[in-house]
Amino acid sequence: GESVGLHLPTLSVQEGDNSIINCAYSNSASDYFIWYKQESGKGPQFIIDIRSNMDKRQGQRVTVLLNKTVKHLSLQIAATQPGDSAVYFCADLMYSSYKLIFGSGTRLLVRP
Amino acid sequence: DTEVTQTPKHLVMGMTNKKSLKCEQHMGHRAMYWYKQKAKKPPELMFVYSYEKLSINESVPSRFSPECPNSSLLNLHLHALQPEDSALYLCASSQGTLSEQYFGPGTRLTVT
Repeated sequence: GESVGLHLPTLSVQEGDNSIINCAYSNSASDYFIWYKQESGKGPQFIIDIRSNMDKRQGQRVTVLLNKTVKHLSLQIAATQPGDSAVYFCADLMYSSYKLIFGSGTRLLVRP
Repeated sequence: DTEVTQTPKHLVMGMTNKKSLKCEQHMGHRAMYWYKQKAKKPPELMFVYSYEKLSINESVPSRFSPECPNSSLLNLHLHALQPEDSALYLCASSQGTLSEQYFGPGTRLTVT
């Protein structure tokens, strides 16, 4: 049978559509947040970051939104491409501890 | 050079063996990290080195022994491992402990 925790939440989107990946964090004292992309057989790759004194940051095709009130982080990917298929992790860090804590991850599947 | 390299890519070792994992970066980063990642799980922090000194040990068993010979190199010495230690071992580096971390591709370790 299935074991708890062995299946990642999956988001399936059509190529060309926008993707929104969500993340809830637990530490209200976190100062810094990062989104990483991990492709199969590779290490996590930095996508975009945001400091806790900001609520939005944009990169190339990606936007990160931070809502500290509800401790929620989201990653928006515009015009999703097949190369965006990967597992996406949010991570947060407290300046006082400088330990990066990763969320559980979301698998993004892009349908052609 | 914006790369973190790790060797070997794959390693199979018996429970009585002694082996070492190697990580190298030439970005001038002064913080280096070891993470352990099990399948379908996020990376978990093991050790943090800052300016070649061990600053965080996340209660890792002594059969894992980190070493930072200089600012560009990070080793992880393995001895008397257990099958449950089989995982992807990731190295990362950052300019400081409060900035984005760059990850290597990892070493896939299997303990038999």
